[in-house]
Amino acid sequence: SQQGEEDPQALSIQEGENATMNCSYKTSINNLQWYRQNSGRGLVHLILIRSNEREKHSGRLRVTLDTSKKSSSLLITASRAADTASYFCATDAGAGNMLTFGGGTRLMVKP
Amino acid sequence: DVKVTQSSRYLVKRTGEKVFLECVQDMDHENMFWYRQDPGLGLRLIYFSYDVKMKEKGDIPEGYSVSREKKERFSLILESASTNQTSMYLCASSKRTGGYQPQHFGDGTRLSIL
Repeated sequence: SQQGEEDPQALSIQEGENATMNCSYKTSINNLQWYRQNSGRGLVHLILIRSNEREKHSGRLRVTLDTSKKSSSLLITASRAADTASYFCATDAGAGNMLTFGGGTRLMVKP
Repeated sequence: DVKVTQSSRYLVKRTGEKVFLECVQDMDHENMFWYRQDPGLGLRLIYFSYDVKMKEKGDIPEGYSVSREKKERFSLILESASTNQTSMYLCASSKRTGGYQPQHFGDGTRLSIL
């Protein structure tokens, strides 16, 4: 079953702009993770936020988590053409590191 | 860096064939996972394994089986391939201990069943 739902499904922006992607989920979680997938490749882990954290930063990435609304957002600041990829949220409900992935947001950054 | 290697990037097989997809990780991870990825459906878990010889069904195990004879290797088997199993297959691994562990993915096998 698909726990996370990303919004929007697709996003097109100009280089230098910020990109915001949202994720909603349905059940209680242990942590929420964001992954990136370049075309035709595997997923790469970007950032993990625990259920007791509200915000986390890593370089140009900022993730927020609102457990009361069961939602998370990923912000990429000052985007670059190389950020073009699909981005997935994944929830970990604490059952043996099993993750449930959403459908992803396809981000295109135009130079 | 963790390396998860899938044996083939592209594979073409015929309906009814028995198909083996192999995955090897080099970081002594306890957990290994097989997903399939289809447009609009995201990643769906087929099977996972917590240890050698252990396996658990995921969300869509029908038509698949798995084998984990060694810690570093996790194989996905399509017993009798069908056209609806044409998909991208992704293998992942993670450490078991401590929780809060990311999964590390291979580059995927794009499988076509004709």
